[in-house]
Amino acid sequence: EDKVVQSPLSLVVHEGDTVTLNCSYEVTNFRSLLWYKQEKKAPTFLFMLTSSGIEKKSGRLSSILDKKELFSILNITATQTGDSAVYLCAVGHNAGGTSYGKLTFGQGTILTVHP
Amino acid sequence: NAGVMQNPRHLVRRRGQEARLRCSPMKGHSHVYWYRQLPEEGLKFMVYLQKENIIDESGMPKERFSAEFPKEGPSILRIQQVVRGDSAAYFCASSSVAITNTGELFFGEGSRLTVL
Repeated sequence: EDKVVQSPLSLVVHEGDTVTLNCSYEVTNFRSLLWYKQEKKAPTFLFMLTSSGIEKKSGRLSSILDKKELFSILNITATQTGDSAVYLCAVGHNAGGTSYGKLTFGQGTILTVHP
Repeated sequence: NAGVMQNPRHLVRRRGQEARLRCSPMKGHSHVYWYRQLPEEGLKFMVYLQKENIIDESGMPKERFSAEFPKEGPSILRIQQVVRGDSAAYFCASSSVAITNTGELFFGEGSRLTVL
C-alpha cells in the first residue's frame, strides 16, 4: 500500500525561528512530490519536485527531494505568524503510462508560530 | 479568474438522508478530482473525472457513493443514506490538460458534511 509519512505531526515555534518539515514516502510509480499549505480552507500549492538534489525556493520557503532515500524536506526560515498552517506533503503517481492528479497525501504537519 | 467553487460549504444531514456536493472547476480545467479529509487524517483520493467520464474511482467506497461530471454543469458527489462516518470535509480539485502530468492541483475550499 502506498504510504506518505510526515514528521513531526505538530510543531510550535516563535517568530524568527527556522523549521524543517519532513516527508518520507513508499509508493509505486512515483512521479512527483508536492507540498501544499492548508490554512482553514483550500490547500494551496507550494512546490512540486521531480528530480533529486535540486532545491526549489520561494521567498523564505525551500524544498528538496532525495529519490534514493525517498524523502523530502520543507524549510521555512525566519518564520512569521502567517506561516501557521497545516503543511501537506503528497506524491503524484504514474498510472498506465500517463499521470494525473491522483495524489497520496501524508497526514500533515501542524505548524504554529507564536509572536 | 474564479478558482474552484464548491457548494454548499457546510451541509448537515440526518442519518439515512442524501448529500449532494457540487464542484465547478477552474475556468479552462477539464479534469476534476474529489478528495475526502476525515478528522485528524490527511486527504484521501476518491475519484477522478473528465467530462462525462469516470477515469478512476478506485478511492470511492463501493456502496452509497457516486460521482458525475456532466457535459454541462458542475461535478456532483452524491452520498446516499449517509451515516455518521461520512462526516468529513470533501475537497474538489481541478487541473488542466497541460498541468495534469505534473500532479499540480487547484483545490476548492471544501464542503463540510456533518451527519447527525
